[in-house]
Amino acid sequence: GAVVSQHPSWVICKSGTSVKIECRSLDFQATTMFWYRQFPKQSLMLMATSNEGSKATYEQGVEKDKFLINHASLTLSTLTVTSAHPEDSSFYICSARELGTGDWTNEKLFFGSGTQLSVL
Amino acid sequence: GESVGLHLPTLSVQEGDNSIINCAYSNSASDYFIWYKQESGKGPQFIIDIRSNMDKRQGQRVTVLLNKTVKHLSLQIAATQPGDSAVYFCAENKGYSTLTFGKGTMLLVSP
Repeated sequence: GAVVSQHPSWVICKSGTSVKIECRSLDFQATTMFWYRQFPKQSLMLMATSNEGSKATYEQGVEKDKFLINHASLTLSTLTVTSAHPEDSSFYICSARELGTGDWTNEKLFFGSGTQLSVL
Repeated sequence: GESVGLHLPTLSVQEGDNSIINCAYSNSASDYFIWYKQESGKGPQFIIDIRSNMDKRQGQRVTVLLNKTVKHLSLQIAATQPGDSAVYFCAENKGYSTLTFGKGTMLLVSP
């Protein structure tokens, strides 16, 4: 299947700093990428939908100024956690939908390997 | 056995047993369902999917059953192996919208 590369796999930062997480589709073009957040022993919570060339759509309760999303190309979306605080510590996962996938039965998103963020 | 509480529901099985993981979905209009496997510290991996016009679909060692009447989905794993130990999530989708994930079940396979 298609490969989505997410980097870094883990990051430790000081409170107040910003952290950027990259999500790349390696062998396909993705018009849409999704960013999820996952706390320990909980399910994936959708944070935002990132569309290439346009502003991201954020889910209710997710601060767009806190979690900056940029989807500048068909293969790269970035999530920047600005002024991170300990409560932002979590596992962040991206997924990508392949361009031109009109058959909804193939709506199986390709996921990155996740980024564990720890804010001290 | 199965336990539900403040933690993830957990299903503990012996190697070689068949496992059944259940999921209740929320939207009666959902028309596409997927099971994902997530190992610790990794992203979800696609296992099997099913459309709403089907009630059963089989893959390699896995079977998904869909009961639309009671909005219930199950994943059956035959001859469970230690490598199957992970958290399993069901996800539902309506049309071409975003996926909604269920709460997850942890499967523990002991040798």
